[in-house]
Amino acid sequence: EAGVVQSPRYKIIEKKQPVAFWCNPISGHNTLYWYLQNLGQGPELLIRYENEEAVDDSQLPKDRFSAERLKGVDSTLKIQPAELGDSAVYLCASSLGLAGGPSYNEQFFGPGTRLTVL
Amino acid sequence: GQQVMQIPQYQHVQEGEDFTTYCNSSTTLSNIQWYKQRPGGHPVFLIQLVKSGEVKKQKRLTFQFGEAKKNSSLHITATQTTDVGTYFCAFSASNYQLIWGAGTKLIIKP
Repeated sequence: EAGVVQSPRYKIIEKKQPVAFWCNPISGHNTLYWYLQNLGQGPELLIRYENEEAVDDSQLPKDRFSAERLKGVDSTLKIQPAELGDSAVYLCASSLGLAGGPSYNEQFFGPGTRLTVL
Repeated sequence: GQQVMQIPQYQHVQEGEDFTTYCNSSTTLSNIQWYKQRPGGHPVFLIQLVKSGEVKKQKRLTFQFGEAKKNSSLHITATQTTDVGTYFCAFSASNYQLIWGAGTKLIIKP
């Protein structure tokens, strides 16, 4: 079974440029997450989708970040314009179940995209 | 908001020594998960605990959930080089958001 796929793995851009990340979750997984992880810290949730619906985007900086999960499968996360402080690893994860269900909390992570903003 | 304190931040051990990391909350948790992240890698799910006083073992790893469901620990017996990485606890908040601890980095002394 293929794991969570993310691309690109690395991205270097200049500040004020746009950038997009792509994620393909494990087949059949209903819930998809985008996290941001800074060095030496735990992941911080940006947005959570249940199928195609964004059910928790309270932590997403909506002035510059946007996300979509068309057809409830793969997802893209966009930053426009990028700022120096956006340099981090962006992790996508998926889980089989929906919130409150037995398999909801077992999240499978992709390899992440390491973003460097110069 | 809800949060969990994870200690220590780092632990240096000789190979073969034991390792323990703790997570503490001021509020009762419905569940707690443990993840491992190897250097340069991504978090990998280890286990979920949901019952008061629950103890689960995976080979050399022992996971405990406190009686009051406010703390949890992960203990590794006789560490090996393959155990190197950062161990995170996380819990599901009332809005189902997974709240993560800051992690404990296990470092094997050369």
